Amino acid sequence: GQQVMQIPQYQHVQEGEDFTTYCNSSTTLSNIQWYKQRPGGHPVFLIQLVKSGEVKKQKRLTFQFGEAKKNSSLHITATQTTDVGTYFCRDRDDKIIFGKGTRLHILP
Amino acid sequence: SQTIHQWPATLVQPVGSPLSLECTVEGTSNPNLYWYRQAAGRGLQLLFYSVGIGQISSEVPQNLSASRPQDRQFILSSKKLLLSDSGFYLCAWSLAHTEAFFGQGTRLTVV
Repeated sequence: GQQVMQIPQYQHVQEGEDFTTYCNSSTTLSNIQWYKQRPGGHPVFLIQLVKSGEVKKQKRLTFQFGEAKKNSSLHITATQTTDVGTYFCRDRDDKIIFGKGTRLHILP
Repeated sequence: SQTIHQWPATLVQPVGSPLSLECTVEGTSNPNLYWYRQAAGRGLQLLFYSVGIGQISSEVPQNLSASRPQDRQFILSSKKLLLSDSGFYLCAWSLAHTEAFFGQGTRLTVV
């Protein structure tokens, strides 16, 4: 079955630095969704990308969907302590299989 | 608006004891329902999903079972807990091809 791989698994950044996590698939994705899970919390939906090459922004967060619809990225500009958490991507299908996530740690 | 309730929030159970975690959804009909387990600092492992009453698909062989007795009720059970069953259990719902909404989770510690 289709597998969505997410890298890196962990990332430590200094507060104010940028951060990027990548989601890669061996097959074409129908669309991709991104979620954020704060420490001790539950995953919360951030955004869905549908179109090839699509770019969406939410304040300091920029989401991209690759031209071939096989990869996606989430970029955070000038990280803040509130960005701490794990970011997950998933391909939209009925099973809702998530990538393993990227845990972001912010160093003050 | 739709809401999802999951309880209890925390649970400490002895090895060999039974388990029952309940999840209910309000404000929607015929949702897809899911149970996930998350080990500390790890990803989300899909355990079970259901597209309708009485329809359960298991993703991994394990010591757990799931049931969906009503449209908006999803129950995770075990007859005898193992130490390895400890973790953070999350229930979620979605409609077909939409985003998933998660419950607050149950932190289970098997001692």
